[in-house]
Amino acid sequence: EDKVVQSPLSLVVHEGDTVTLNCSYEVTNFRSLLWYKQEKKAPTFLFMLTSSGIEKKSGRLSSILDKKELFSILNITATQTGDSAVYLCAVRDTSYGKLTFGQGTILTVHP
Amino acid sequence: GAVVSQHPSWVICKSGTSVKIECRSLDFQATTMFWYRQFPKQSLMLMATSNEGSKATYEQGVEKDKFLINHASLTLSTLTVTSAHPEDSSFYICSATPPAGGQETQYFGPGTRLLVL
Repeated sequence: EDKVVQSPLSLVVHEGDTVTLNCSYEVTNFRSLLWYKQEKKAPTFLFMLTSSGIEKKSGRLSSILDKKELFSILNITATQTGDSAVYLCAVRDTSYGKLTFGQGTILTVHP
Repeated sequence: GAVVSQHPSWVICKSGTSVKIECRSLDFQATTMFWYRQFPKQSLMLMATSNEGSKATYEQGVEKDKFLINHASLTLSTLTVTSAHPEDSSFYICSATPPAGGQETQYFGPGTRLLVL
C-alpha cells in the first residue's frame, strides 16, 4: 500500500522566517509527487515533481525531489501571514493517476 | 489553469435522506475523475475513481452501494450519498485531470460540505 508521511505535523513561525516542510513516501510505482496548499477549501496546486535534483521555484516557494531517498521538501522563504495553510504532499502512481496524500503540515505564520 | 466546479458547496440534510453532489470539468474533458473525503483536521482520503462510461473503482473500505458514482459524460461525475447518516458528515472533494499536457496535475473542485443531522 502506498504511503506518504509529512513532517512536521504543525509549525508556528513569525513573518520573515524560512520554513522547510518534509515529505517522505513509499509507493510501488512512482510517477510524480505533488505539493498542494489548502486554506479551508479544496487544495490548490503548487508543484509537481518527477525528476530528482531539479528544483521547482515559484516566488518564495521552492521544492525538490530525491527519488533515491524517497523524499521531497517544500521551502518557503520570508514567510507571510498569507502562507498560513495546510500543505499537502501527494504521490501519484502509474496505474491510473490516483493520488495518495500525506496527513499534511499545518503552517501558522504570526505577524 | 483548468477549472473544476462542484455543486452544491454546502448541504444540510436529515438522517436517512440521499444527497447528490455534482462535479464538472468546465473547460476540458475528463475521462477520469476522483472523489475524496476529508474529515476535520485530517488529510484527503481517496474514495473512488470515476471512469466515464464504465463502473467506478472504489477504494478498500468504501461501500459502493452507499456512495453511488455515475460518470455519464466527459464533463460530469456525480456522487450520491445514499441514506446519509451523521457519520457521513464530511468535506467531499472531486478532482479531474486534463487529458493532454500537464496530465499529471489534478485540479480540485471547491468541495462540498455535507452535514447530516
